[in-house]
Amino acid sequence: QSVLTQPPSASGTPGQRVTISCSGSSSSIGSNYVFWYQQLPGTAPKLLIHRNNQRPSGVPDRFSGSKSGTFASLAISGLRSEDEAEYYCAAWDDSLSGPVFGGGTKLTVL
Amino acid sequence: QVQLQESGPGLVKPSDTLSLTCNVSGGSVSSGNYYWSWIRQPPGKGLEWIGYIYHSGITHYNPSLKSRVTISLDTSKNQFSLKLSSVTASDTAVYYCAREHPTWPPDSWGQGTLATVSS
Repeated sequence: QSVLTQPPSASGTPGQRVTISCSGSSSSIGSNYVFWYQQLPGTAPKLLIHRNNQRPSGVPDRFSGSKSGTFASLAISGLRSEDEAEYYCAAWDDSLSGPVFGGGTKLTVL
Repeated sequence: QVQLQESGPGLVKPSDTLSLTCNVSGGSVSSGNYYWSWIRQPPGKGLEWIGYIYHSGITHYNPSLKSRVTISLDTSKNQFSLKLSSVTASDTAVYYCAREHPTWPPDSWGQGTLATVSS
């Protein structure tokens, strides 16, 4: 059972906007930055969003992140077939003194 | 840009110790700006943080694994290592080494290495 809660699946059609939610606690999301990762099958997680809403260089601006209280979300606009992947949220947890992760959301592009 | 690369045996026998090494290039494990960490992912499942080591040698482990985990640093080789003792089939996973800013999740990951526990 993961510390951060994500829906197990999400879907959309090409061109649509989809959002993936991530719920935590006061000791995790409530007091620390949220990161988002994209994981394609057989590969390592790739950093998509850091510090709640910052994109590393090379990540398209179709990807955006937000945070409010103990909740965070990832939005993907202009959905493309290559966005089909597993998405994970993560945040530092003050109780653990380490990072905690969501269980992952499998995004399907219909 | 920092790069991390895991290495180690792909097959470990039950009750033995799993040993993995992470080679770091493009950055120094002696840097005081980062934690160097291990994270694992069982097949078809999510991510679990194992622990980290700081340049000073200070370590911090996930309480769920603490009794079996040792993370160490070799600054001369710019590497850090993981030892997980008394392994069982439930320790079968892809093991990733990663870099973290203190109090941030990882920003850089290795490609991962599959460690299978089986006789």
